[in-house]
Amino acid sequence: DVQLVQSGAEMKKPGDSLKIFCKGSGYTFANYWIAWVRQMPGRGLEWMGIVYPGDSGEFNTRYRPSFRGQVTISADKSTGAAYLQWSSLKASDTAMYYCARRGLGFGDLFLDYWGQGTLVTVSS
Amino acid sequence: SSELTQGPAVSVAVGQTVRITCQGDSLRAFYASWYQQKPGQAPVLVFYGKDNRPSGIPDRFSGSTSGNTASLTITGAQAEDEADYYCNSRDTSGDHLEVFGPGTKVTVL
Repeated sequence: DVQLVQSGAEMKKPGDSLKIFCKGSGYTFANYWIAWVRQMPGRGLEWMGIVYPGDSGEFNTRYRPSFRGQVTISADKSTGAAYLQWSSLKASDTAMYYCARRGLGFGDLFLDYWGQGTLVTVSS
Repeated sequence: SSELTQGPAVSVAVGQTVRITCQGDSLRAFYASWYQQKPGQAPVLVFYGKDNRPSGIPDRFSGSTSGNTASLTITGAQAEDEADYYCNSRDTSGDHLEVFGPGTKVTVL
């Protein structure tokens, strides 16, 4: 069975760095894009960016403009994990973060499997 | 514009039909995908593309597109369908980018 398992909840202070992970299993990890989605408390889903684990080049990652420079998305096909990291957290980064696999379709974009979410709380 | 708009909320009686709409310029060229999210749970894909329902999703969920509007229809709504529903499509401002709509809360009476 396809599974995406995310790292556990984190409680951090403003200015801290953080790297959370999403580990895929039950499929060939390198062959599927992995997206990250933010959900702030009581709010909707926000698509942050996406990474292709099968390509280690500089063009394997895309960011929505509002998230570019705010987070770093990466993946390691040898470990079967994708990552989302911050160099300096802000209170406004408090949210649930989901990873999701982009399915293979003929031109269609869809996220067919989701992780359970990682709750990040940033508070002084 | 690559933004998607959805109505904030809709209610439906058990057994009746409800349609949730999503509007955006990108929908004139690309199909939407639809996600159901219940409180405290991760989203679940319920429909995508022209006519695709993932395995395990009841056939009361269907989708359609006309012009710049995508629709998700629940025919014969059940109590367990009460949830937030989000549409998603390509963000035409960049390669491989996507965008979600703001979500529609469906209440089943």
